Amino acid sequence: QVQLQESGPGLVKPSETLSLTCTVSGGSISSYYWSWIRQPPGKGLEWIGYIYYSGSTNYNPSLKSRVTMSVDTSKNQFSLKLSSVTAADTAVYSCAREQLAYFDYWGQGTLVTVSS
Amino acid sequence: QSALTQPASVSGSPGQSITISCTGTSSDVGGYTYVSWYQQHPGKAPKLIIYDVTNRPSGVSNRFSGSKSGNTASLTISGLQAEDEADYYCSSYTSGSTYVFGTGTKVTVL
Repeated sequence: QVQLQESGPGLVKPSETLSLTCTVSGGSISSYYWSWIRQPPGKGLEWIGYIYYSGSTNYNPSLKSRVTMSVDTSKNQFSLKLSSVTAADTAVYSCAREQLAYFDYWGQGTLVTVSS
Repeated sequence: QSALTQPASVSGSPGQSITISCTGTSSDVGGYTYVSWYQQHPGKAPKLIIYDVTNRPSGVSNRFSGSKSGNTASLTISGLQAEDEADYYCSSYTSGSTYVFGTGTKVTVL
């Protein structure tokens, strides 16, 4: 059974960079696309972007200028960096596996609050 | 890319059927058979319940069914049960090789 676990700081200051890592267990990170998805408190889901195990990426156009994703196949991990954060970036950030245009495995999500 | 449009809330009595719509454009919902649906209970991760417009993953109740006509996809829950009370989100692949989610629908079982 594939499991995903997000990790990283729960509090980030405005204008700084949010950094999260997703660790995949129970399966290989290879041959799949991996996405980050966020959900502001009380609001809907927003797709942030995906990374292929080879390192190719595609991002939500609305966030593209601030997002960087990377992958470490040796550790079965992939990561998200979101720069110049504001309070509007406060959300539960989740990682998920993409299986041919749908998300079949999700992490539990981690709340990241942007505040000074 | 704009979020797909869903009704904010839908309600029904136990045993009834309800349908949730998900409206997009020809660049997403209308252009691909890549619409999926997710159920999310409070404080929990979303759960995939429909993929590729009409397909159910193994273990998902056959009370959930999906369809699509033009730029609008739909999720129908038949034989509504108390455990179906949750938030539901649609998602579609887009022409930009990205994904877009719907605005979300809160289902209430009366």
